Amino acid sequence: GESVGLHLPTLSVQEGDNSIINCAYSNSASDYFIWYKQESGKGPQFIIDIRSNMDKRQGQRVTVLLNKTVKHLSLQIAATQPGDSAVYFCAENQAGTALIFGKGTTLSVSS
Amino acid sequence: GAVVSQHPSRVICKSGTSVKIECRSLDFQATTMFWYRQFPKQSLMLMATSNEGSKATYEQGVEKDKFLINHASLTLSTLTVTSAHPEDSSFYICSAARGTSGTEAFFGQGTRLTVV
Repeated sequence: GESVGLHLPTLSVQEGDNSIINCAYSNSASDYFIWYKQESGKGPQFIIDIRSNMDKRQGQRVTVLLNKTVKHLSLQIAATQPGDSAVYFCAENQAGTALIFGKGTTLSVSS
Repeated sequence: GAVVSQHPSRVICKSGTSVKIECRSLDFQATTMFWYRQFPKQSLMLMATSNEGSKATYEQGVEKDKFLINHASLTLSTLTVTSAHPEDSSFYICSAARGTSGTEAFFGQGTRLTVV
């Protein structure tokens, strides 16, 4: 399943599917990007980050892709599990400044 | 490592009273801390940037006299919501930056404030 982030705030997938969550960022000067997962009533939890000199970075079951030309960031989650259900935020910043968060996408995984 | 503790996790207060929220970096020194506010089903909105030993920098639209921030040490920043009103009810989250670039930011668990 795939979301377009700002325009489709909820992504529903079946367990085992791959999920793609998208984010359009606004500041072309941003050089650091992070994806966070937030469960209800908790603070953001770091998932994966990428710097502007890279276009792809892989973690465990997650991949972040960065397209600076169109200012687009995506998070791919492989073999999505019910425990992945949460709200996902992208965040961006430049060195020394605060992280600015995108609007978020709710990922709902059904068994 | 890199644990940020926020206290309290939940607080209910009466309208007109003040509430203090603490943010502590437990195992590192944080020159800079950030305070965010999050309304239900919305994103985190930056309220202010707090630097140890100096006045906080507030984002546009955030009242500095309403939301008092003190960053007296490298491990503690506090946010005081003064004369709280029901519209101040929200989820407040702090973040502490490790390192000078500010890119290593670690978040507290948040404080749910309800003003009745």
